[in-house]
Amino acid sequence: AQSVAQPEDQVNVAEGNPLTVKCTYSVSGNPYLFWYVQYPNRGLQFLLKYITGDNLVKGSYGFEAEFNKSQTSFHLKKPSALVSDSALYFCAVRDSNTGGFKTIFGAGTRPFVKA
Amino acid sequence: ETGVTQTPRHLVMGMTNKKSLKCEQHLGHNAMYWYKQSAKKPLELMFVYSLEERVENNSVPSRFSPECPNSSHLFLHLHTLQPEDSALYLCASSQALSANTDTQYFGPGTRLTVL
Repeated sequence: AQSVAQPEDQVNVAEGNPLTVKCTYSVSGNPYLFWYVQYPNRGLQFLLKYITGDNLVKGSYGFEAEFNKSQTSFHLKKPSALVSDSALYFCAVRDSNTGGFKTIFGAGTRPFVKA
Repeated sequence: ETGVTQTPRHLVMGMTNKKSLKCEQHLGHNAMYWYKQSAKKPLELMFVYSLEERVENNSVPSRFSPECPNSSHLFLHLHTLQPEDSALYLCASSQALSANTDTQYFGPGTRLTVL
């Protein structure tokens, strides 16, 4: 069965410092990995996804994520955090061996970016 | 966010009321989803529709009744709910159910409070 874990409920970072949000996954086939962000009183917004190819994926708002097959991880990164990056971030995974709609979401991680 | 809209944005109802949540997508997608988001829990997939046919009912109590009259509209009919059903209900759509690399696009959600 597929699963995804975000080990941190929240991370603290100073504005201008690098931001990392961690995600690990478990699938039986090939993973299709997604990151979404949720701002207050809003739905989830797509940031980026990894399907195949280059392990480093670039997405919206200056975010990128690195797929690491050996560590089964897909950490989200931003080189220089902004206060406006304080939101809720969800990692999600689909397994190539299961139905296309079976997306499993992590519990979310909230970075607090201080000015 | 104008791609997927949800109404109402906020709803307060008693346990004996009957109400409906509405979702509309303007993206020409063929698949639509209902998710439940509770505090500090992963998103829970409730229902999935593909071309107006329900393909997934994820062990959801019968007090939640979905309806998909066409590929652009999705409803969630509510009756005799319990206080633990209070949550943010998110609607999403994607291009095709069979393509497990597709991105899901989310609406802003309906914040439901059951008294």
